[in-house]
Amino acid sequence: GEDVEQSLFLSVREGDSSVINCTYTDSSSTYLYWYKQEPGAGLQLLTYIFSNMDMKQDQRLTVLLNKKDKHLSLRIADTQTGDSAIYFCAESIGDYKLSFGAGTTVTVRA
Amino acid sequence: DARVTQTPRHKVTEMGQEVTMRCQPILGHNTVFWYRQTMMQGLELLAYFRNRAPLDDSGMPKDRFSAEMPDATLATLKIQPSEPRDSAVYFCASGPSRQETQYFGPGTRLLVL
Repeated sequence: GEDVEQSLFLSVREGDSSVINCTYTDSSSTYLYWYKQEPGAGLQLLTYIFSNMDMKQDQRLTVLLNKKDKHLSLRIADTQTGDSAIYFCAESIGDYKLSFGAGTTVTVRA
Repeated sequence: DARVTQTPRHKVTEMGQEVTMRCQPILGHNTVFWYRQTMMQGLELLAYFRNRAPLDDSGMPKDRFSAEMPDATLATLKIQPSEPRDSAVYFCASGPSRQETQYFGPGTRLLVL
């Protein structure tokens, strides 16, 4: 079955870089995703990467994909207080479905 | 800015009552998903549709939950009768036909007393 794993908590100082890691199991995943959930809100699509890429950069966000190790990471440069949220990693598992990790709660401290 | 909309945003009801949650997917999206989020279980897929046809509802308790798409602009999730353990946030998401990307609505926060 599909299983996406990520660490539950990350604390980072404002201005530093955050790195959130994720491992997935389905080697046939076409896309891998990062979603952000702020308190009381829905999941917001942050970015995604196609499986034939190994890196994607979008402003302060950098996604790295290591297909061999089935490892995905999200780096947030110059972390701000507004980046405090839960970040979900997800992989496509076919039939239009996504498998989500449990989420990493990122806390930005001053 | 196209968004998935959900109503109501909050619902408090008593055990045994019927609850209906509604979702308007993004225009042009033909896959629609219902999820439930709780602290204990995280994000669970309840059911999903493609071109209004149900593809999988194995995540739903069949005896009390039902999901439908009366038309392309409306998806509904009903709970009858509701129970306290149904208290959760229910999310609707929609996606375009050629990609698995899903766009989430703001959720319906349900509290069953």
